[in-house]
Amino acid sequence: GAGVSQSPSNKVTEKGKDVELRCDPISGHTALYWYRQSLGQGLEFLIYFQGNSAPDKSGLPSDRFSAERTGGSVSTLTIQRTQQEDSAVYLCASSLRTGWYEQYFGPGTRLTVT
Amino acid sequence: EDKVVQSPLSLVVHEGDTVTLNCSYEVTNFRSLLWYKQEKKAPTFLFMLTSSGIEKKSGRLSSILDKKELSSILNITATQTGDSAIYLCAVGHYFGSNYKLTFGKGTLLTVNP
Repeated sequence: GAGVSQSPSNKVTEKGKDVELRCDPISGHTALYWYRQSLGQGLEFLIYFQGNSAPDKSGLPSDRFSAERTGGSVSTLTIQRTQQEDSAVYLCASSLRTGWYEQYFGPGTRLTVT
Repeated sequence: EDKVVQSPLSLVVHEGDTVTLNCSYEVTNFRSLLWYKQEKKAPTFLFMLTSSGIEKKSGRLSSILDKKELSSILNITATQTGDSAIYLCAVGHYFGSNYKLTFGKGTLLTVNP
């Protein structure tokens, strides 16, 4: 596609429910990144994929968060048993490869946990 | 602990003014410094600076990397209301064999007519 796409653009969920956020990177980009941005805060790195592999998961805030990427393309970030503090904008980015390449961001998913 | 600090946190200027935004960093295995502009949701890429490219310019925007001082500045001349946004600084670095971008909290720039 022309750019990184994310869905849904907005998600309101009740505390305790599970949510899935989807990211479709730019075609040909092998690296994919997930970030979280809370109100008034900078971007918090969550996890990245090189191909289908996630070398480091230490940025995930808790074991309620998980992510996967299949076929080297689409990625899904899953939050189980959502809490109010999970409310934030979740941004996905992709780059040609990790390292020396700029990251291009998607429009984000605004998650609100009530 | 890796950190990126931006200053000021917010800035209000009038159209036509020149502004300088600052970014300092302390990270392991520095590779690159990036500037992004965030108006609504998605940050848009402005510049990437590395050891082999410490100065970049595009129109009214320019940026310099000072590897000795572990810092960078983003200059915007003849500001316009359309420059109003959050400007994010990010540093690309390795920890072990893993690569990540660490972002600062951003500078909120407001340009009044």
